[in-house]
Amino acid sequence: DGGITQSPKYLFRKEGQNVTLSCEQNLNHDAMYWYRQDPGQGLRLIYYSQIVNDFQKGDIAEGYSVSREKKESFPLTVTSAQKNPTAFYLCASSYRYPDSEAFFGQGTRLTVV
Amino acid sequence: GENVEQHPSTLSVQEGDSAVIKCTYSDSASNYFPWYKQELGKRPQLIIDIRSNVGEKKDQRIAVTLNKTAKHFSLHITETQPEDSAVYFCAAALYGGATNKLIFGTGTLLAVQP
Repeated sequence: DGGITQSPKYLFRKEGQNVTLSCEQNLNHDAMYWYRQDPGQGLRLIYYSQIVNDFQKGDIAEGYSVSREKKESFPLTVTSAQKNPTAFYLCASSYRYPDSEAFFGQGTRLTVV
Repeated sequence: GENVEQHPSTLSVQEGDSAVIKCTYSDSASNYFPWYKQELGKRPQLIIDIRSNVGEKKDQRIAVTLNKTAKHFSLHITETQPEDSAVYFCAAALYGGATNKLIFGTGTLLAVQP
């Protein structure tokens, strides 16, 4: 079953804790990236990676960190430095970034309690 | 700054009518403009895209037009059906030296009334 998978679907975190969101793809895509979705604000870019072992900050990278050690995986860590982490997080991959079709995961809803 | 503006934020039409969503972008170097549909509780999915070397592209009931001079592009849905109800996002590929991004609009909630 090919595609891009995010886990978990729902995640609860206590204030002050770091949490890592998983994103895995078996589409053999070079590019992977993370967006944050908030009501009325569309999708905002957190980080993107165009190739293994390389990644770049997006528009709202503060309080987040990523790694790209494998082509298939691009985990996102939400750190305690992120002031408003409660949101819906979408991971995506594509053959090329930013000008080819993005395939999105089903998303992770993070709630800080 | 770099941004993509999308209008309207909500759109309600009667089944069978047409729907039009408009977007403008700021970077004249942009050359790729996709549209994504996100149904309630689901992931966004590409429905149509256009590159800067063409002015219009059509796929059955969906069409996209691009005006590079004015830096705006539009999504047209004809003969709307209830299953067209969803949030639609436009996007533009922006190129800025070492940083390349796909920037999304804020979305349009389309409601097709049966």
